[in-house]
Amino acid sequence: AQKVTQAQTEISVVEKEDVTLDCVYETRDTTYYLFWYKQPPSGELVFLIRRNSFDEQNEISGRYSWNFQKSTSSFNFTITASQVVDSAVYFCALRGSTLGRLYFGRGTQLTVWP
Amino acid sequence: DTAVSQTPKYLVTQMGNDKSIKCEQNLGHDTMYWYKQDSKKFLKIMFSYNNKELIINETVPNRFSPKSPDKAHLNLHINSLELGDSAVYFCASSSRTLSVFGPGTRLTVL
Repeated sequence: AQKVTQAQTEISVVEKEDVTLDCVYETRDTTYYLFWYKQPPSGELVFLIRRNSFDEQNEISGRYSWNFQKSTSSFNFTITASQVVDSAVYFCALRGSTLGRLYFGRGTQLTVWP
Repeated sequence: DTAVSQTPKYLVTQMGNDKSIKCEQNLGHDTMYWYKQDSKKFLKIMFSYNNKELIINETVPNRFSPKSPDKAHLNLHINSLELGDSAVYFCASSSRTLSVFGPGTRLTVL
């Protein structure tokens, strides 16, 4: 079974705070991909990052960083020095080795206050 | 230049009507999908086509019928619309490693 859990439904922070969005996944596939998408108030799904199951290196892109740990089946996302424009719903997703479909977590609504 | 496009972006209609949403991708991907996002933002797959062949058909009412005339297009036809069909419908296409989403179609059934 494939499953993604985002336990944090809503997070509120004040600008410039750091915030971490948690993502825990379940899969029996040995090869799989993990994704993060951002959905701003305008509604589109914006791709942020893809990680494959063989690459546990953490990644940093500007204020964004991702921590992938297979031992705990987690793929957490940290925003450093958050900004109001970071306010959005963030989805973690899992793609197994067959059919290519994505299994989404329920999303975390992040609100950054000025 | 748009990778995955959907039309229309907004669709407001009366209960009982039939409507279609169109999707086109210019990425050369073999696989396309329809996802539904409900009012609680939950995203769930509905259908998937690979090279015009239906490969995923989740538990979706028969009123929903996808059609793929070629591998660049995947349309969604909905018969006898109900209030509960109100949602945002996303089309997506994928390669082996990447999934690209369209901008979504917000369907409102009155």
